[in-house]
Amino acid sequence: EVQLVESGGGLVKPGGSLRLSCAASGFTFSSYSMNWVRQAPGKGLEWVSSISSSSSYIYYADSVKGRFTISRDNAKNSLYLQMNSLRAEDTAVYYCAQSRTYGDYDYWGQGTLVTVSS
Amino acid sequence: DIQMTQSPSSLSASVGDRVTITCQASQDISNYLNWYQQKPGKAPKLLIYDASNLETGVPSRFSGSGSGTDFTFTISSLQPEDIATYYCQQYDNLSFTFGPGTKVDIK
Repeated sequence: EVQLVESGGGLVKPGGSLRLSCAASGFTFSSYSMNWVRQAPGKGLEWVSSISSSSSYIYYADSVKGRFTISRDNAKNSLYLQMNSLRAEDTAVYYCAQSRTYGDYDYWGQGTLVTVSS
Repeated sequence: DIQMTQSPSSLSASVGDRVTITCQASQDISNYLNWYQQKPGKAPKLLIYDASNLETGVPSRFSGSGSGTDFTFTISSLQPEDIATYYCQQYDNLSFTFGPGTKVDIK
């Protein structure tokens, strides 16, 4: 059974940093592209970043480019999102999601809440 | 960037009703469109991929159609467990955008 478990969320001040993790199990992690998608409270879904299986291809939404860094450790079956220079508008539940094929988010974690507030 | 619109933003229907949601892209995205269901407090779930393909395990009352800029998502017979918000999502040209969502509830 595919399982994705996010962690690392919490309360951070504007301008601060946070590192999210996603622990994967139940599938061959190194064979799949992975993604971060976020959802602000009461709002819709927003794609944040994607990374290919071998980290060769990395993409970011314009809203986070230059501030967020996606990475993965295939030996540890883990996905990461380093978030710097956080803003109030980054407040959201952050989901990690697996891509079976390009553009599809087939399995999702339960999400971790990031709150940026002074 | 490709923008996605959905209509209606919300709807209320009776059990057994046919429900239709439309999604429009700001430019041609071929069939690069998915549909997701999100129940309150839960993560989204992929229902339809490549505009019209039913994800494994998803009930056949869900269907999708369309190509280019105009797409349709249909629930042929609304069930109480279908209460959720539905999102379309495009994935064309290294761009991944969700529609604003359609909230479906029971009348």
